[in-house]
Amino acid sequence: KAGVTQTPRYLIKTRGQQVTLSCSPISGHRSVSWYQQTPGQGLQFLFEYFSETQRNKGNFPGRFSGRQFSNSRSEMNVSTLELGDSALYLCASSLGGTSVADTQYFGPGTRLTVL
Amino acid sequence: AQKVTQAQTEISVVEKEDVTLDCVYETRDTTYYLFWYKQPPSGELVFLIRRNSFDEQNEISGRYSWNFQKSTSSFNFTITASQVVDSAVYFCALRFTGTASKLTFGTGTRLQVTL
Repeated sequence: KAGVTQTPRYLIKTRGQQVTLSCSPISGHRSVSWYQQTPGQGLQFLFEYFSETQRNKGNFPGRFSGRQFSNSRSEMNVSTLELGDSALYLCASSLGGTSVADTQYFGPGTRLTVL
Repeated sequence: AQKVTQAQTEISVVEKEDVTLDCVYETRDTTYYLFWYKQPPSGELVFLIRRNSFDEQNEISGRYSWNFQKSTSSFNFTITASQVVDSAVYFCALRFTGTASKLTFGTGTRLQVTL
């Protein structure tokens, strides 16, 4: 079974631009979560989508948004990029049950650099 | 407060040594799950193990073993006879009831195994 895929793997943008990252979950998984990883803040939860609806959200500004399509693929958008948005963005997929036992499987990440 | 602490920032060992990575958590919940993930230099978080709060049995998988002790709120991870391929950052994470899919991660322990 194919794992979680993320595109692109690397991105370089300038301040003020916007960016869209894509994530394809494991086949059969209906939940997609996004995390931001930086050296200073570590791994932080951005949001989770299940059945095309945002089910949970972390403490990030409104510049960070996402969506999920009917095939469970998800996109994350960051508008008006700031230098501090430089990070590794990780996508995780899971079956999507509400049990805390639901295990998340991560993709390789998209490394975003903002200049 | 609900928190995961990995006090060891970096550990260096020589190949074939045993090494234990510590994880201490705080929660008021009675039902929760603990996870360990490995992040090699490629960036992808690789799922290693999941353990629920009601199961304190230790687990062994090949060279890996996990010791869960509710009395000390710890979920430690031991690698026996370490190998160079074990070099990575290891994250402990916690998922609580009521937080849907969100994983709360520790800050990670970087393990360097040298010849």
